[in-house]
Amino acid sequence: DTEVTQTPKHLVMGMTNKKSLKCEQHMGHRAMYWYKQKAKKPPELMFVYSYEKLSINESVPSRFSPECPNSSLLNLHLHALQPEDSALYLCASSQESANTEAFFGQGTRLTVV
Amino acid sequence: EDQVTQSPEALRLQEGESSSLNCSYTVSGLRGLFWYRQDPGKGPEFLFTLYSAGEEKEKERLKATLTKKESFLHITAPKPEDSATYLCAVPRNRDDKIIFGKGTRLHILP
Repeated sequence: DTEVTQTPKHLVMGMTNKKSLKCEQHMGHRAMYWYKQKAKKPPELMFVYSYEKLSINESVPSRFSPECPNSSLLNLHLHALQPEDSALYLCASSQESANTEAFFGQGTRLTVV
Repeated sequence: EDQVTQSPEALRLQEGESSSLNCSYTVSGLRGLFWYRQDPGKGPEFLFTLYSAGEEKEKERLKATLTKKESFLHITAPKPEDSATYLCAVPRNRDDKIIFGKGTRLHILP
């Protein structure tokens, strides 16, 4: 099973709302990632968790707040977003580090109004 | 600077017309090279990992090869369902960041 599950699939939120994106994997992977993808662009790394600790934050604005409650779960908390934050948000996991292939979820399509 | 460049940006082929997609990289000390397929509005689907020059991997109509400077994704007798964006990615040497190329948008005409 190489499945990474993301919820919700679609999300529309206002600029004053607080929402969370969720990601789950049961492959025993110890590295988990959040990516942002705009139309016709490659995925852009936001955060990396390795063994449940934040190892990379690619200078992401504080209105995005990641959380890794345990080795299977990854959350992305959203607050006071801007319309330009509208994008496809992808979660991925890999066995231990970037040396091994990452498996992606189907993404959450986020629209900020 | 670590970089991944894919060419062409877009490719239109007739069904059955074989071709190759290119991924060139400048990462020193390659720790792996990954190929993904992505359909519109969906997450990338893992295809292949290559670790060393000379390595080849195959899956159905796709074959990936690796040299010291680049990788090729060969597509043999493609079908319309092979239409997608194909992404190449390599891990940066100093940390866990994976660098993606901009992708090749492949369109197979029936």
